[in-house]
Amino acid sequence: NAGVTQTPKFRVLKTGQSMTLLCAQDMNHEYMYWYRQDPGMGLRLIHYSVGEGTTAKGEVPDGYNVSRLKKQNFLLGLESAAPSQTSVYFCASSYTFDGYNEQFFGPGTRLTVL
Amino acid sequence: TQLLEQSPQFLSIQEGENLTVYCNSSSVFSSLQWYRQEPGEGPVLLVTVVTGGEVKKLKRLTFQFGDARKDSSLHITAAQPGDTGLYLCAGGSGYSTLTFGKGTMLLVSP
Repeated sequence: NAGVTQTPKFRVLKTGQSMTLLCAQDMNHEYMYWYRQDPGMGLRLIHYSVGEGTTAKGEVPDGYNVSRLKKQNFLLGLESAAPSQTSVYFCASSYTFDGYNEQFFGPGTRLTVL
Repeated sequence: TQLLEQSPQFLSIQEGENLTVYCNSSSVFSSLQWYRQEPGEGPVLLVTVVTGGEVKKLKRLTFQFGDARKDSSLHITAAQPGDTGLYLCAGGSGYSTLTFGKGTMLLVSP
């Protein structure tokens, strides 16, 4: 089991460029999440999905789009990158039982927007 | 909006010392989780507590959920350099999302 994998691990963009971050999980989890982590700000939820074909906004969704076409994949898109989107991005997946979920995280993607 | 406040924000200690970090909220959570994140990696789940007053032990780590399910603590006995990392608490109040605290950065020196 690879768990949760993220592609790419590092990326540098110029302002206005677009890119897609790929998250894949092999644990058959229903729920998937995208977070960003910035110094002093903790983990902030961007978007999440509770199943194939469904997505929902999190705390900081502006400037990002997502798609969940397959259960095992969750894509995060930046249509026009801005320096404020420089961050470390983490994907997570989870299953739920007894009313709570336990999240498994990928290794992260470090994105710099110049 | 539910918030989780963690304290202290940063802790630097010597190997062998004991420490406690706290996670507090004005909101009630149905579950409380602790994660540890090492530099350059994603967070890894350490424990989930769901019952008010619950205490769980994981080797030298002791986790407690407050009676009112609004707060939690993590106590480490005889800290080791391998305990170094960012400790995050996360509260759940439903099935789909978690509220994360900003974390406590722990540095244990030999």
